[in-house]
Amino acid sequence: SAVISQKPSRDICQRGTSLTIQCQVDSQVTMMFWYRQQPGQSLTLIATANQGSEATYESGFVIDKFPISRPNLTFSTLTVSNMSPEDSSIYLCSVEDRGGSSQETQYFGPGTRLLVL
Amino acid sequence: DAKTTQPPSMDCAEGRAANLPCNHSTISGNEYVYWYRQIHSQGPQYIIHGLKNNETNEMASLIITEDRKSSTLILPHATLRDTAVYYCIVRGANSKLTFGKGITLSVRP
Repeated sequence: SAVISQKPSRDICQRGTSLTIQCQVDSQVTMMFWYRQQPGQSLTLIATANQGSEATYESGFVIDKFPISRPNLTFSTLTVSNMSPEDSSIYLCSVEDRGGSSQETQYFGPGTRLLVL
Repeated sequence: DAKTTQPPSMDCAEGRAANLPCNHSTISGNEYVYWYRQIHSQGPQYIIHGLKNNETNEMASLIITEDRKSSTLILPHATLRDTAVYYCIVRGANSKLTFGKGITLSVRP
C-alpha cells in the first residue's frame, strides 16, 4: 500500500494566520483527499484533489478558506487560511491506491495536529 | 451514499475474538463495505473490505450477510493494541468515504 507522510506533524498557530500542510506519497496516485477531524469527532471530508484539475469541495468547505494545490501525482498541499480557534483539528490526507487488490482503497497519512490560539 | 449503523462501544477480553457488528440496510448492489480503525487520533488504518463474499486477511475477517444489509468484522484473537475506534463504511460514488461515529472497542487484560 502507499506510504504517506504529512508535514508538519503538529503546529500551534495564532489566530488570523495561515498554515500550509503538505502531503507526500511514495507512488503516483490519481486521487488524493483532505479530511478534518475536530476534537472528539469523526472524520469529515473537506475536498478531493485531482492532479490537473480544480479541487472539489464538500458542502460547508470553500476554496478561500481551504485552498488546495495538487501540482503532481505524488504531492498535495492544504492551506488553512485566516485561522480561528474553531480550526483546531487534526487534518488528514488520504490517497486512493489499488495496492494488490482489485478494488481501490484509501490509505491515510498520519495527520497534522493543529491548535489555534 | 448508504449509511451505516454501529453500536457506540463494546469490550472483549484479551485473546478472545472480537465481533464488531455493522448495519447497512440501504447498501446498493455495487457498493463495497470497508472497515478502518483509528488508534488514539492516529490516521485511520485500513483493515479489510468486501462486496458480498466473506473476506479474510492477516488482520481480520469480514462476514457479510447474504442480503448484504449487515456485516461483522472479526478480530480472531484481540490484543490490547486492538483497542481503537472501528469504522464501518460503505464506499460511495466518486470514492467518497463517509465516516460515522464508529464503535469504540476496548480490549481488557
